Amino acid sequence: AQTVTQSQPEMSVQEAETVTLSCTYDTSESDYYLFWYKQPPSRQMILVIRQEAYKQQNATENRFSVNFQKAAKSFSLKISDSQLGDAAMYFCAYRMINAGNMLTFGGGTRLMVKP
Amino acid sequence: NAGVTQTPKFRVLKTGQSMTLLCAQDMNHEYMYWYRQDPGMGLRLIHYSVGEGTTAKGEVPDGYNVSRLKKQNFLLGLESAAPSQTSVYFCASSYRPQLGHEQYFGPGTRLTVT
Repeated sequence: AQTVTQSQPEMSVQEAETVTLSCTYDTSESDYYLFWYKQPPSRQMILVIRQEAYKQQNATENRFSVNFQKAAKSFSLKISDSQLGDAAMYFCAYRMINAGNMLTFGGGTRLMVKP
Repeated sequence: NAGVTQTPKFRVLKTGQSMTLLCAQDMNHEYMYWYRQDPGMGLRLIHYSVGEGTTAKGEVPDGYNVSRLKKQNFLLGLESAAPSQTSVYFCASSYRPQLGHEQYFGPGTRLTVT
């Protein structure tokens, strides 16, 4: 079974600074998708960024970028120029390409942003 | 588009009672999912559906049943609620996830079983 591990239960960053959230996963598949989701206090799950495993280039979405290391099975999220609105739970998720295409989530990292 | 909606938003049950959670999506998505989120944890898949009339078990299916009689609706049933089913339940849908399409999530239902 696939597992996703987020080793940092909590992280803190100063406003306007950069922070990196870690994620590792375990899989024997060669083709899959990886995601970072943000969950603010409203509980709504919001997709931050996605990475296709077959793409070597790291995905970028405005202030959010990933460092995807396929051989190491590592998928970290970098948030640049952190804003107060970035404070939330962040979940890393893995999706195997199969009949159900289900997401497997990590345990989450709570990000606090200090003004 | 309303996206993915869930009914109800909150519910309190006594042990042994039954209830049904309704998920509706208006995006013509094929795939629908039910997850639960316990405090301090990520979401875990309960059941899912790859199309109207089909359902399958996820990671934590025990104590739950589902039905997908209409493409736009996915129902999650608890036949005899237990305190261990106290959780926040999320529904999600996706058009073609195998092509990289994202899952869209509902706002969640907070269920407390006393």
